[in-house]
Amino acid sequence: GAGVSQSPSNKVTEKGKDVELRCDPISGHTALYWYRQSLGQGLEFLIYFQGNSAPDKSGLPSDRFSAERTGGSVSTLTIQRTQQEDSAVYLCASILGGVFNEQYFGPGTRLTVT
Amino acid sequence: QKEVEQDPGPLSVPEGAIVSLNCTYSNSAFQYFMWYRQYSRKGPELLMYTYSSGNKEDGRFTAQVDKSSKYISLFIRDSQPSDSATYLCAMMEGAQKLVFGQGTRLTINP
Repeated sequence: GAGVSQSPSNKVTEKGKDVELRCDPISGHTALYWYRQSLGQGLEFLIYFQGNSAPDKSGLPSDRFSAERTGGSVSTLTIQRTQQEDSAVYLCASILGGVFNEQYFGPGTRLTVT
Repeated sequence: QKEVEQDPGPLSVPEGAIVSLNCTYSNSAFQYFMWYRQYSRKGPELLMYTYSSGNKEDGRFTAQVDKSSKYISLFIRDSQPSDSATYLCAMMEGAQKLVFGQGTRLTINP
């Protein structure tokens, strides 16, 4: 398939554990975004990558959250010492550079912190 | 106050009705205005986007942007049960992050 993929699709973890969420963007897409969607809420911006650099990290809610992107492709969002309020769906989107309408979201990772 | 406001609904209409979905915003620097559709447990999919003010039509869908009023709308004509989903407006300044509304949950009743 040529779409954005995310793994795992579902993750249940205990409070205090670390989790890693993975995003595989569409091949050739240079920009990648992470968003968080809490129950009944719109999408909240977390971080944006252009290539491997992150010009905008302003949405990361705390220093427990970090993300990296390697090889201009795969990105990993890491949440350390998870808290119950981190429970949400984490969505990744990739964009073909400045061609605005070439924007695709993955199916998301549903994170539940117990 | 949020940068983008959207009535979360839920909104329920009979099949064939015209649906009007709206968002207001406060940041006058927004240039791109988008509507996404999200089915349950799926990622959002881009329906339409508009650059600056004006109207854009695509089949049964029409997007309108009024920058003077900071108000955008999505109209769905001849609504179908398959249109039942959550509709999210989103806006962008330049090529940076998207700012989303809360989403409106829409149900089209057969």
